[in-house]
Amino acid sequence: EPEVTQTPSHQVTQMGQEVILRCVPISNHLYFYWYRQILGQKVEFLVSFYNNEISEKSEIFDDQFSVERPDGSNFTLKIRSTKLEDSAMYFCASSAGRILEKLFFGSGTQLSVL
Amino acid sequence: DQQVKQNSPSLSVQEGRISILNCDYTNSMFDYFLWYKKYPAEGPTFLISISSIKDKNEDGRFTVFLNKSAKHLSLHIVPSQPGDSAVYFCAASDGSGAGSYQLTFGKGTKLSVIP
Repeated sequence: EPEVTQTPSHQVTQMGQEVILRCVPISNHLYFYWYRQILGQKVEFLVSFYNNEISEKSEIFDDQFSVERPDGSNFTLKIRSTKLEDSAMYFCASSAGRILEKLFFGSGTQLSVL
Repeated sequence: DQQVKQNSPSLSVQEGRISILNCDYTNSMFDYFLWYKKYPAEGPTFLISISSIKDKNEDGRFTVFLNKSAKHLSLHIVPSQPGDSAVYFCAASDGSGAGSYQLTFGKGTKLSVIP
């Protein structure tokens, strides 16, 4: 069964450092997303990406965040200068179309900012 | 700002009995609702959905009920099985499932099915 792959599974970084979280979406999918879940909180939408551009973003997705699809397979989330409050589990997701029930999530990257 | 609320952080049910997970929402623009299941060390996986034009959707052991006037939905699992033990997230969208890209999630309810 095809799956969304995220690397690394855990990332520890110092406050102020840049991090890049990597995702390989399902190969024939066209829509890509990042969500995050702070410990004990709800899963929150960050951004969606289609046709090489951002389609929607939340208030969380400020200038410190960026996304990129550098080649035909990877989808990355960059945080330029990490803050303590960026510590969370970051989930990548992809879908073939815009039907939300066909959204497939990766297993997440646990980011810890020290 | 909790637009989707799951007020029970955990629920324990005996195997074979019914599990009922509840979810309330405040945004009247939501018109599509989904339940996701999440096992440890895995991402959420889609379980079942319901459009606001319906009040019930059934898929095998899983049934979702929607009460629009009360802004309340519930997930029924019957009979419950130990493999159903997971965190269940209620999620909502205001794009009829096809128009919006984003889901608004609740905090989740951890279901434990006791053998």
